Amino acid sequence: GEDVEQSLFLSVREGDSSVINCTYTDSSSTYLYWYKQEPGAGLQLLTYIFSNMDMKQDQRLTVLLNKKDKHLSLRIADTQTGDSAIYFCALNNAGNMLTFGGGTRLMVKP
Amino acid sequence: DTEVTQTPKHLVMGMTNKKSLKCEQHMGHRAMYWYKQKAKKPPELMFVYSYEKLSINESVPSRFSPECPNSSLLNLHLHALQPEDSALYLCASSQEGGRGGELFFGEGSRLTVL
Repeated sequence: GEDVEQSLFLSVREGDSSVINCTYTDSSSTYLYWYKQEPGAGLQLLTYIFSNMDMKQDQRLTVLLNKKDKHLSLRIADTQTGDSAIYFCALNNAGNMLTFGGGTRLMVKP
Repeated sequence: DTEVTQTPKHLVMGMTNKKSLKCEQHMGHRAMYWYKQKAKKPPELMFVYSYEKLSINESVPSRFSPECPNSSLLNLHLHALQPEDSALYLCASSQEGGRGGELFFGEGSRLTVL
C-alpha cells in the first residue's frame, strides 16, 4: 500500500516562510492534497495539485511536486500565528480513497 | 451551504451504553465517510457510503454500526465500546465523480469511553 511520510514538527517565526515536506511511495495518485487541522477541529482542504503539474500557487500557498523524487511540499509565505496547526498531505489511491501522511505540527512564534 | 455538521461535539459513554453520532450535509454530495482520529495521528477511514449504500467497510468492529437514512444524513451507532475506542470521529462528504479525495470534513465528535 501507499506509504506517506511527513516530519512531525516545524517551528518558524511570524513573517518567515514555512516549508512542509511530504514523501510518498506510490506514484499512481491523480491528485495530491494539503489539509489543515486546527486544534479541536476537523480537517480543512487548503489546496491540491494535479499529478501532471510541477507547481501551483494560491495566494500565500505554493505547492511543489517532484514526481521523480516522489516529493511534495507546501510553502506558506509570510507565516502568521493563525497558521499554527497540523498539516496533512494526502494522496488519492486507485480506489479514489485518501491516504494521509502522519501530519506536521506547525508552530508559529510571534 | 458548504458545511458538514456533526452532533454531538462531545460524548462520554460507558462500555454498556448505546449512543449515536450524527452527521448532516446539504451540498448534494453523494459520498459520505466516517473517519476515526486518535491524538497526534492522521484520520483512519472506517466506512464509506456512496449513493446511500455502504461501499467500504475497513474491517471495523461490529460495535460500530453505520447507517445512511438518506443522501444528507449519516449516523454511526455505538454499542458496547471499549476505552480504546475513545477518539475524535470525523464525518466527511464529497462529490461523486469529483476529484477523488476532495473531502469536506465536519468538526468531529470527540468520544470518551469510560
